[in-house]
Amino acid sequence: AQTVTQSQPEMSVQEAETVTLSCTYDTSENNYYLFWYKQPPSRQMILVIRQEAYKQQNATENRFSVNFQKAAKSFSLKISDSQLGDTAMYFCAFMKQKSFGNEKLTFGTGTRLTIIP
Amino acid sequence: EAGVAQSPRYKIIEKRQSVAFWCNPISGHATLYWYQQILGQGPKLLIQFQNNGVVDDSQLPKDRFSAERLKGVDSTLKIQPAKLEDSAVYLCASSLERGGPNEQFFGPGTRLTVL
Repeated sequence: AQTVTQSQPEMSVQEAETVTLSCTYDTSENNYYLFWYKQPPSRQMILVIRQEAYKQQNATENRFSVNFQKAAKSFSLKISDSQLGDTAMYFCAFMKQKSFGNEKLTFGTGTRLTIIP
Repeated sequence: EAGVAQSPRYKIIEKRQSVAFWCNPISGHATLYWYQQILGQGPKLLIQFQNNGVVDDSQLPKDRFSAERLKGVDSTLKIQPAKLEDSAVYLCASSLERGGPNEQFFGPGTRLTVL
């Protein structure tokens, strides 16, 4: 079974600063995907960024980037130039790879991020 | 494109009562998931459907929870009878059926309070 650990329950940062959220995971799988999801106070979960484990290059989506360390089983999220709209719960999630079809997501416990004006 | 719809948004019941939640996935999405999110925790999968069939229900408390997906579209999750520990947000998600890191699209959730 897979486990995902987020060791920072809460974080806060000034607007326009950079913040890094940590995530570690444990799995015996070699092929898998990792995700960061954002859950604003309205509760709708939104995908922020995804990473395929077979790719060495770290994924980037505008102000969001990851630091994927496969050997260390670490997957951190960096948010640059943080904005008030980034205030939300952030969940790290793991998905086993399948050749076809979909797998479930295994989530961490989340990090509550507050951007301070 | 319409997102995943869920209803009701909120529900308060007494323990031992029954409750049902409804989910309408994004059109064309073959895979549908029900997750339970207890306060302070990440979502946990209860059941996964691929079209009409159940793919994974290993974490569904089958003595009290049931789910169905009629005609491979809408889905209903039922709890009967409810316990205090069932208080949680129930999230429905859907995704396309294909290989790769498919994005799961989530609905707004139903917040259940069991008194």
